[in-house]
Amino acid sequence: TQLLEQSPQFLSIQEGENLTVYCNSSSVFSSLQWYRQEPGEGPVLLVTVVTGGEVKKLKRLTFQFGDARKDSSLHITAAQPGDTGLYLCARIIQGAQKLVFGQGTRLTINP
Amino acid sequence: SQTIHQWPATLVQPVGSPLSLECTVEGTSNPNLYWYRQAAGRGLQLLFYSVGIGQISSEVPQNLSASRPQDRQFILSSKKLLLSDSGFYLCAWSVKGTDDNSPLHFGNGTRLTVT
Repeated sequence: TQLLEQSPQFLSIQEGENLTVYCNSSSVFSSLQWYRQEPGEGPVLLVTVVTGGEVKKLKRLTFQFGDARKDSSLHITAAQPGDTGLYLCARIIQGAQKLVFGQGTRLTINP
Repeated sequence: SQTIHQWPATLVQPVGSPLSLECTVEGTSNPNLYWYRQAAGRGLQLLFYSVGIGQISSEVPQNLSASRPQDRQFILSSKKLLLSDSGFYLCAWSVKGTDDNSPLHFGNGTRLTVT
């Protein structure tokens, strides 16, 4: 299957807390992209992970690609209200030049 | 720099009426173009994508169609809208790349409500 499962679907936490969201698949993929979407706007790319075990950091956001390249996680340290949004993972379907998205995690950071 | 324009931003249409949503890209040539639909702030469902003028791949059979009359123009159409066509429609483009890691660049979407 080419499906991407994201968990949790919804997450509401207080400012300053840490959190982790997940993106899983039963099949191996060559790379994974993470996007963030704010209400009324299109998604914006945060990062692309390519190598199994790879870790990338974007300020307080840490992205990890699983060793087997079947899963990925996004960890946010000391969450802030500006982190609120829909976080989407997506994978390229090789050879087809199209991107398939997970259902997303709706994150709310309460001040 | 590259920009993508989608219009209109919002649209309310009665059931059975036609639809035409337009998307144009500036600042790049020969892009891949995509139409996605998003329901209730959830994940994106790929509807159509195009790798060149006149080349359209359909992902989901339905009463929508897409056309690419020019290199940087992508149009989503319907002859008769259904209630289930309501949603947030997003156009996107990407650079053709050899490594398949090209990110998508999205427009700001069209909120369609079919009444």
